[in-house]
Amino acid sequence: GNSVTQMEGPVTLSEEAFLTINCTYTATGYPSLFWYVQYPGEGLQLLLKATKADDKGSNKGFEATYRKETTSFHLEKGSVQVSDSAVYFCALRGANSGYALNFGKGTSLLVTP
Amino acid sequence: NAGVMQNPRHLVRRRGQEARLRCSPMKGHSHVYWYRQLPEEGLKFMVYLQKENIIDESGMPKERFSAEFPKEGPSILRIQQVVRGDSAAYFCASSLPLQGRNTEAFFGQGTRLTVV
Repeated sequence: GNSVTQMEGPVTLSEEAFLTINCTYTATGYPSLFWYVQYPGEGLQLLLKATKADDKGSNKGFEATYRKETTSFHLEKGSVQVSDSAVYFCALRGANSGYALNFGKGTSLLVTP
Repeated sequence: NAGVMQNPRHLVRRRGQEARLRCSPMKGHSHVYWYRQLPEEGLKFMVYLQKENIIDESGMPKERFSAEFPKEGPSILRIQQVVRGDSAAYFCASSLPLQGRNTEAFFGQGTRLTVV
């Protein structure tokens, strides 16, 4: 079946540090891949997505590249801000699933001034 | 345009009681999804509903859990005779009618159910 594995948190970084949150997946066919973010007290928001191999999703300075060969979709940001503190979820939607998302466990990020 | 609204945000129930979780989708959205997040786990798909119709309930526990999305009013996730293992965060999402597998789903803030 489909599954997503993402790095354990919490991750603590200083402001302006480089961020990488690893995400790997298992799926048949060609899934669509997503990163969601949950800010404190809020619902999940779509951060970025990629729908085919080598696609790069980007938003708010965050990037992730769909790597079919390594089945990965790592999230990166060159310079994090305190306002980026949140929980980040990697997710996939399978090739044969029109709607259901498979989520990773989430990675908590804390950025300190 | 208000987002997906879930209430209550926090719900405490004693073992054996019923829990009712409500979800009002975004305006214009006719598709609703429920997910559950157990402690230390990712969100797991439970059920997909359209107005007055359950499309896929493959992720719902076989007993005690039910969901509906009536013609009028919010979607309701109902848990009868709650047990401690039902303690979790329950998230609702909504979307427009599906246009391929990349249709974006918008999530609510979740309801945190605690069974004591």
